[in-house]
Amino acid sequence: QQQVKQSPQSLIVQKGGISIINCAYENTAFDYFPWYQQFPGKGPALLIAIRPDVSEKKEGRFTISFNKSAKQFSLHIMDSQPGDSATYFCAASIANTDKLIFGTGTRLQVFP
Amino acid sequence: DAGVTQSPTHLIKTRGQQVTLRCSPKSGHDTVSWYQQALGQGPQFIFQYYEEEERQRGNFPDRFSGHQFPNYSSELNVNALLLGDSALYLCASSFGAGANVLTFGAGSRLTVL
Repeated sequence: QQQVKQSPQSLIVQKGGISIINCAYENTAFDYFPWYQQFPGKGPALLIAIRPDVSEKKEGRFTISFNKSAKQFSLHIMDSQPGDSATYFCAASIANTDKLIFGTGTRLQVFP
Repeated sequence: DAGVTQSPTHLIKTRGQQVTLRCSPKSGHDTVSWYQQALGQGPQFIFQYYEEEERQRGNFPDRFSGHQFPNYSSELNVNALLLGDSALYLCASSFGAGANVLTFGAGSRLTVL
């Protein structure tokens, strides 16, 4: 019940295309859902996050869609760029804790 | 403004040895969490320190221990190293325990031979 399932494992997108990564969870106590971006040799960097009181959050080219009833959330990267090539992790945590449960990651490659 | 700094960057140990990893949190942060990231996997929570005490712990054996100092920096100690302890160890800092918003360092890559 503590797992966060992430798909796909890898994703190849043409420059300018839309990248979509999906995550699902079971624990209804989760109330914070961040996405992290990790480049090789670097630590994860917070990209965007959402709480379950909203269904969508947009920051620039990055959008989180959240479906509370389905216990699913997804990351959409619009107008994908080669510089977006990285590994993306979804995560979830319970209120007042910093114990993030991470998905297994999606390796995104954007080709020009 | 320095972010989270970790040392050493890379290290190699043999089975049975002990290792100490160090972390300095981002300026203004007072809480430190440690994560283990195996190759090709997502980070896994080890434990969190706040006010010099272990506040939360993940599913890791007692061989993993830590400490937080009055200046908020932290150490992760792993005893009796196993081959399976080979991983990237990430330190993350935040302001106030339970704030959720974590800033990660680049990690310490541990290889156990």
